[in-house]
Amino acid sequence: QSALTQPRSVSGSPGQSVTISCTGTSSEVSFYNFVSWYQQHPGKAPKLLISDVDKRPSGVPDRFSASKSGDRASLTISGLQAEDEADYYCCSYGGRVFGGGTKLTVL
Amino acid sequence: QVQLQQWGAGLVKPSETLSLTCTVHGGSLNGYYWSWIRQAPGKGLEWIGEINHSGSADYNPSLKSRLTISADTSKNQLSLRLTSVSAADTAVYYCARGGNSRRFWGQGTLVTVSS
Repeated sequence: QSALTQPRSVSGSPGQSVTISCTGTSSEVSFYNFVSWYQQHPGKAPKLLISDVDKRPSGVPDRFSASKSGDRASLTISGLQAEDEADYYCCSYGGRVFGGGTKLTVL
Repeated sequence: QVQLQQWGAGLVKPSETLSLTCTVHGGSLNGYYWSWIRQAPGKGLEWIGEINHSGSADYNPSLKSRLTISADTSKNQLSLRLTSVSAADTAVYYCARGGNSRRFWGQGTLVTVSS
């Protein structure tokens, strides 16, 4: 399976919203309802933000939301905060295929 | 709270074997899938493989011929062995709980392949 496609970078100002897309090429996203999203700060292990397309684990702020339509999944971060600056990865195909990662810069 | 603690050699010579262990604290191996994931310097995440508590493992096809993942439920430990390593295997290696999604992660171990 190919990697999932994410934009290399996105940016936004504090308080704004940004959306990160994740597109599959061989039904990795459309066929599976197990899309997950991770946040990774430099030098740290990834942190689970979203599981099963749109479910937030306890402790994850509701500023983080996600959805899926066809072969495209999306992560939206609203009310951007400086601490949101990190790399974000989507994952699908039973947790076996990751996106290339998106660097979020908070301006 | 579940915690995963990893350890293993941080420097491995080319053609030798990379070995890592992950101990699970605060929870059992039973009932979950357990994954290994790696991240080359400056690169994205790559799924290495996974195992369930009964020992059924599945591997990334690109690594399958060199890879062994095992679980010891009596010690609450996972193990990773990757043979015939090269510089391309230099990465931070993570163990994590879960298959479809992974909430608990080890701290990561940087393994450098160099002579």
